[in-house]
Amino acid sequence: GDSVTQMEGPVTLSEEAFLTINCTYTATGYPSLFWYVQYPGEGLQLLLKATKADDKGSNKGFEATYRKETTSFHLEKGSVQVSDSAVYFCALRYASKIIFGSGTRLSIRP
Amino acid sequence: DVKVTQSSRYLVKRTGEKVFLECVQDMDHENMFWYRQDPGLGLRLIYFSYDVKMKEKGDIPEGYSVSREKKERFSLILESASTNQTSMYLCASSEGIETQYFGPGTRLLVL
Repeated sequence: GDSVTQMEGPVTLSEEAFLTINCTYTATGYPSLFWYVQYPGEGLQLLLKATKADDKGSNKGFEATYRKETTSFHLEKGSVQVSDSAVYFCALRYASKIIFGSGTRLSIRP
Repeated sequence: DVKVTQSSRYLVKRTGEKVFLECVQDMDHENMFWYRQDPGLGLRLIYFSYDVKMKEKGDIPEGYSVSREKKERFSLILESASTNQTSMYLCASSEGIETQYFGPGTRLLVL
């Protein structure tokens, strides 16, 4: 069945470092892909999405490109801030449901 | 802004108790969802609903039931709570089938 695999955390970086969180998927057809973020004590919120191959989603300095050839949707940010500390979830839409990865905890040191 | 609220942030219950978790959304969304979130497992879908009085089983419905009597409210019921239902419970709503809006979560501890 359809699934999402993302890198295990926790990931700890210094402020202003470059961030990559890897995400790969298995799906029949062409799913929509998402990154959600969960800040401490809050529910998830949509960070960005891409609905077709080669689309790039972007928001708040984060980017991810839908790569059909490698079935990947890696999240990147050029210079992280302490306020980016959160749990990040990669997800895909399968039929009427969204399938989430297991989440990657990111901690940014000042 | 879409607002999804959940009745409690923290809840402690005893094994065998009947537990009600309430979720309310204020955007007239058709779709509502209940997930549980566990470390290393991400989010797993328990039940969802596409309309009032409609419900569909998700991936892990065992031990749970739901109720949707009004469009804005979706309740999750643990008929007889067990320790393995200790978890974070997240409610979400959506208009289409893509972007879901989440509540802050209820952290349930079953003793």
